[in-house]
Amino acid sequence: DTAVSQTPKYLVTQMGNDKSIKCEQNLGHDTMYWYKQDSKKFLKIMFSYNNKELIINETVPNRFSPKSPDKAHLNLHINSLELGDSAVYFCASSQVLTTEQYFGPGTRLTVT
Amino acid sequence: GQQLNQSPQSMFIQEGEDVSMNCTSSSIFNTWLWYKQDPGEGPVLLIALYKAGELTSNGRLTAQFGITRKDSFLNISASIPSDVGIYFCAGLDQTGANNLFFGTGTRLTVIP
Repeated sequence: DTAVSQTPKYLVTQMGNDKSIKCEQNLGHDTMYWYKQDSKKFLKIMFSYNNKELIINETVPNRFSPKSPDKAHLNLHINSLELGDSAVYFCASSQVLTTEQYFGPGTRLTVT
Repeated sequence: GQQLNQSPQSMFIQEGEDVSMNCTSSSIFNTWLWYKQDPGEGPVLLIALYKAGELTSNGRLTAQFGITRKDSFLNISASIPSDVGIYFCAGLDQTGANNLFFGTGTRLTVIP
């Protein structure tokens, strides 16, 4: 069984569109995260959710919004996509806030 | 946000050789983590370090938490082809929002 899963694996879309990326974890963890990895492979945290409460937001544009229907899911919604949003987005989860985090396989978003 | 500097940026080694890489920061961290990322996959946790001076092993991997709490080292002994990938350090900043900051990565190539 996959511990942290993301869909879709690849997402190609045009500027101005709205898209969502889904994330699910079956580890029973209570905190989930979204990271962005740029073309230079630098990983930067975007959001984290603990018990359905947003607790970190690293100056991410408000076009990005995380939504958590339950403890096992944290989806990422992106409005009005821009070229600079092209990147690989990773979901992660941990048992306790920001200790050992386990990552999903990533979603490669390409905005044309 | 903070950025951790890893060196070297990339390494080309022969199979069977030992590898050393390090990670430095201008800030103190209370937890250091080492991850490996294979192409097209998410980072996978290798080792977690919780105490300054701590030396921890995981198979052929050994990592150390620097005494100053501003650095960490990862060694791989007797490298094999499947060690190829990008290795990331990550430091946990427990002041404020408990952010996890990732290093710039070390790309390892093992020549059979």
